[in-house]
Amino acid sequence: DIQLTQSPSFLSASVGDRVTITCRASQGISNFLAWYQQKPGKAPKLLIYSASTLQSGVPSRFSGSGSETEFFLTISSLQPEDFATYYCQQRSSYPITFGQGTRLEMK
Amino acid sequence: EVQLVESGGGLVQPGGSLRLSCVASGFSLSSYWMSWVRQAPGKGLEWVASIRQDGSVTHYVDSVKGRITVARDNAKNSVFLLMSSLRAEDTAMYYCARLFSGVTIFDSWGQGTLVTVSS
Repeated sequence: DIQLTQSPSFLSASVGDRVTITCRASQGISNFLAWYQQKPGKAPKLLIYSASTLQSGVPSRFSGSGSETEFFLTISSLQPEDFATYYCQQRSSYPITFGQGTRLEMK
Repeated sequence: EVQLVESGGGLVQPGGSLRLSCVASGFSLSSYWMSWVRQAPGKGLEWVASIRQDGSVTHYVDSVKGRITVARDNAKNSVFLLMSSLRAEDTAMYYCARLFSGVTIFDSWGQGTLVTVSS
């Protein structure tokens, strides 16, 4: 199974900050990586797929990059509604796996 | 508007069975792979199972193989998760999710249904 490790697991930041979350895969997965945002009590929401393609309707302050084993989710200028938990997910092979999550909280 | 509405969760004893349902609207269910993803209380996301458009192909995470079956009825716009021999570690919110254009990425999610396995 492909393991995904996110860092940091917890991040404290302020409105307007630029933040980056890292997702490392245990083996190369090309660009078969997606990012999701989840707010408390809600279902996850797809943000980015194929490592860097923004899902329709997602603000352009979100961006993704990386390939093979190292991937990044960047939020260029944090907005109040961005404080949430973020997950990466690989679709290179079954079983589909998620990272453990990064909780982004307001400083 | 794409909508997925899950139901069927509840409290069940260890070793018991449960059937979860997901009713889809706003799109043609028969055109999409569908999946179930679960989340234990306070924990991360875990993919459980996926099923092809016509039901002919299914995939499962190892921990549920032999105990959980994913099924669908396109005529009733529904996807199901048939769960048996339930264990405490199956306790979770179960989400129904649509796979994006045949790719294993979840582009639409339901609100979830909670399964609690406890005596």
